[in-house]
This record gives sequence, structure tokens and C-alpha cells, in this order.
Amino acid sequence: IAGITQAPTSQILAAGRRMTLRCTQDMRHNAMYWYRQDLGLGLRLIHYSNTAGTTGKGEVPDGYSVSRANTDDFPLTLASAVPSQTSVYFCASSDGLSGGYTFGSGTRLTVV
Amino acid sequence: GQNIDQPTEMTATEGAIVQINCTYQTSGFNGLFWYQQHAGEAPTFLSYNVLDGLEEKGRFSSFLSRSKGYSYLLLKELQMKDSASYLCAVKDSNYQLIWGAGTKLIIKP
Repeated sequence: IAGITQAPTSQILAAGRRMTLRCTQDMRHNAMYWYRQDLGLGLRLIHYSNTAGTTGKGEVPDGYSVSRANTDDFPLTLASAVPSQTSVYFCASSDGLSGGYTFGSGTRLTVV
Repeated sequence: GQNIDQPTEMTATEGAIVQINCTYQTSGFNGLFWYQQHAGEAPTFLSYNVLDGLEEKGRFSSFLSRSKGYSYLLLKELQMKDSASYLCAVKDSNYQLIWGAGTKLIIKP
């Protein structure tokens, strides 16, 4: 692992199903983030975690939940997927207040 | 509210120079970032400005004026591989990144 790893790369999911997107980093960054990116809307923050054991809501948290049991992992769960959650999901991490973000390669999710 | 504005799309010619502007209104300011994102890929870091002035890094330069809430990214000697979206982002008073929608740059031969 080098940087941030996201899995799966892509997924087609039936509406109503539960899905967890995985994110793992090996840079020992304290802060981690989940974004969704939709055409014309840019990156929108779903949830974030400033340090292990804490999480917070972003701009579009409804329908999503996260956990941060340790520094490396930050999974994103869709409890009951809906078609409006079709998007590209990016996980990112940051090493400090002034640091930029490092992004994973993304998960392309289609809910049908 | 917080807002970051940048043009939706720009077109330039290979070998030329292009300037991508970004204006922002945020609750606090703790730095401005530019990221490059090729289609189907993740954003990658280009530059960081926290003080007024110009930061140069090879063919890319980024300028910041905090009093005007304004930044630009300058790309010189454009190459076809520079075709991508360029994202402007500002860290607000909570140290959260606020993102612009991105500028799609199309390079023509």
C-alpha cells in the first residue's frame, strides 16, 4: 500500500442494498475525508474525521455513515442505497492544519 | 455562505499561456490550493498559497491576493497532457477545504 487505497474501484448496486466503501491510508495522517463528485457540482464533503475515534458531518451527510476505529481506516457505509447516490466517491487524508489533501483513486458507484 | 467561483471551461492552444482565475468568499482563510484532475482520475496537488504573491513551480505558477479574495493559476508552454480540470480550494476558519466546481481546460494543437 502506498498512499490511500479505495475499494472497490467500481460497483453497480441495487437500490435498497447496503454497501460499504473501504478506504485505507498508510501515511499516518490524522484527518480523513469522504467526498462525492458529481458533474458540474465539484467535490462535496460527506463526512470527515479529524483524528481516530472522532467523526463529523460534512455538507451532504444524509444516507451515509462513517467510523474511525483506528488511524488507517475510514469506511463509508450506505445503509440503504438510492439512485441519487450514484456518484464517484473519493477518500482523502491530510497530515495537518496547513497540509493539502492526498486522494484515493476513487470508487465509481451506480445505484439502479 | 461560502463560495468559490472559477470559470467552467477554458480553451487554449498548445505552447501558449493560460490563466485560470478563482475568486472566493469564505469564513476565514488558512490557505488556498490548486489541484489538477484528469478525467476519471483523482485530484492531485499542484500548489499552495497562504501569503500574498506569486509562487512559481516549473511551468505552473499560482498567485494570491487575500485582500481581493482572488487567486489565479498560470500555466506556461502548454502541453496536450495539461488538458484536465483545475480545482481551486480554500481552507476556512475550521481548516476545512472548500472546493470550487473546477475549470475544465481544453488544449488544442
